[in-house]
Amino acid sequence: AQTVTQSQPEMSVQEAETVTLSCTYDTSESDYYLFWYKQPPSRQMILVIRQEAYKQQNATENRFSVNFQKAAKSFSLKISDSQLGDAAMYFCASSRNNAGNMLTFGGGTRLMVKP
Amino acid sequence: DAGITQSPRHKVTETGTPVTLRCHQTENHRYMYWYRQDPGHGLRLIHYSYGVKDTDKGEVSDGYSVSRSKTEDFLLTLESATSSQTSVYFCAIRAGTGKSNYGYTFGSGTRLTVV
Repeated sequence: AQTVTQSQPEMSVQEAETVTLSCTYDTSESDYYLFWYKQPPSRQMILVIRQEAYKQQNATENRFSVNFQKAAKSFSLKISDSQLGDAAMYFCASSRNNAGNMLTFGGGTRLMVKP
Repeated sequence: DAGITQSPRHKVTETGTPVTLRCHQTENHRYMYWYRQDPGHGLRLIHYSYGVKDTDKGEVSDGYSVSRSKTEDFLLTLESATSSQTSVYFCAIRAGTGKSNYGYTFGSGTRLTVV
């Protein structure tokens, strides 16, 4: 079974600054995917970024980037130039590439952005 | 964005009554999932489907059943609702075929309150 741990229940950042959200995971699989999802107050789950475990290159999407450390089983999310609209719950998740392909979530980190 | 819809968006029901939540997709994806979201737990998998009439249990399946008679519809039933099933329920579909996983798209969620 996979487990995902987010050790920071809450984080805050000043607008325009950079913040890093931590995530560690545990898996015995060699083939898997990692994701960060954003959940604003609207409740909608929005895919922020996706990482394929067999790719060493860290994924980036505009102001969002990850630091993927496969040996350490760490997958942190960096948000640059933080904006007020970035305030939300952020969930780290992993998915094995086998039957079912279920997504396993961490407990989430609430990000507050201060103007 | 369209592609997956859940109904109803909100529901209040009494303890002991049956409840069915509906998930509908227009993407023709094979995999569909039901999750519940509770404070401090992130999202946890209830059941999933890997094709018409093909379903399997997730982490928190007790008290729930599912059915998938058509590719586009995945129903979640609480046979006899209990207060512990008060939660927000999300349906999700997985984009990608074979071993390619482009991420999961979530419905808007159903807030279910059992009184």
